[in-house]
Amino acid sequence: GDQVKQSPSALSLQEGTNSALRCNFSIATTTVQWFLQNPRGSLMNLFYLVPGTKENGRLKSTFNSKESYSTLHIRDAQLEDSGTYFCAADGNNNAPRFGAGTKLTVKP
Amino acid sequence: EAAVTQSPRNKVAVTGGKVTLSCNQTNNHNNMYWYRQDTGHGLRLIHYSYGAGSTEKGDIPDGYKASRPSQENFSLILELATPSQTSVYFCASGTGDSGNTLYFGEGSRLIVV
Repeated sequence: GDQVKQSPSALSLQEGTNSALRCNFSIATTTVQWFLQNPRGSLMNLFYLVPGTKENGRLKSTFNSKESYSTLHIRDAQLEDSGTYFCAADGNNNAPRFGAGTKLTVKP
Repeated sequence: EAAVTQSPRNKVAVTGGKVTLSCNQTNNHNNMYWYRQDTGHGLRLIHYSYGAGSTEKGDIPDGYKASRPSQENFSLILELATPSQTSVYFCASGTGDSGNTLYFGEGSRLIVV
């Protein structure tokens, strides 16, 4: 909800291009998770972050706790990257709150 | 491999009826969660649990009860189902300590008519 704001809400990319998704937090956040929901509805965890940066293949994510935001960078987008990306913010009570998601479509 | 199993996967219920959504995890995780997903809202937290016997209210608990009888099982109960509770419900588990990565079930689609 409003505690976690994701942008953009939708994004269309050509295959092979790069882009960045963003989450802004209005709640105290100690850790951030990023998920991909595929077109069948399954949710897969991409990253679990404390403040800092992680990279996995063509994906890189950064969590800046001082400025209350996180980004997910996608490099060389592929068709299988299509789906909805969610970020989730967790405070000290281990009850993650989700943003509304970014629907990504990668076109050939 | 982390495993979270939800049942039923699909259900049609009548208004005023009782619905129980079940979730089982074989990860031996302390924490379990119930979220609902509706277009434009992402996933919203209904109830969660820190372990057997514990339940906590999330952001939208009204109309829902939760039960955690064991480490493995966490149920979401709709005592008097309403059409506004038509949604897709997701259960998740997490270790609860540093590194509380969530593992999700496949979702339960509920239609209340």
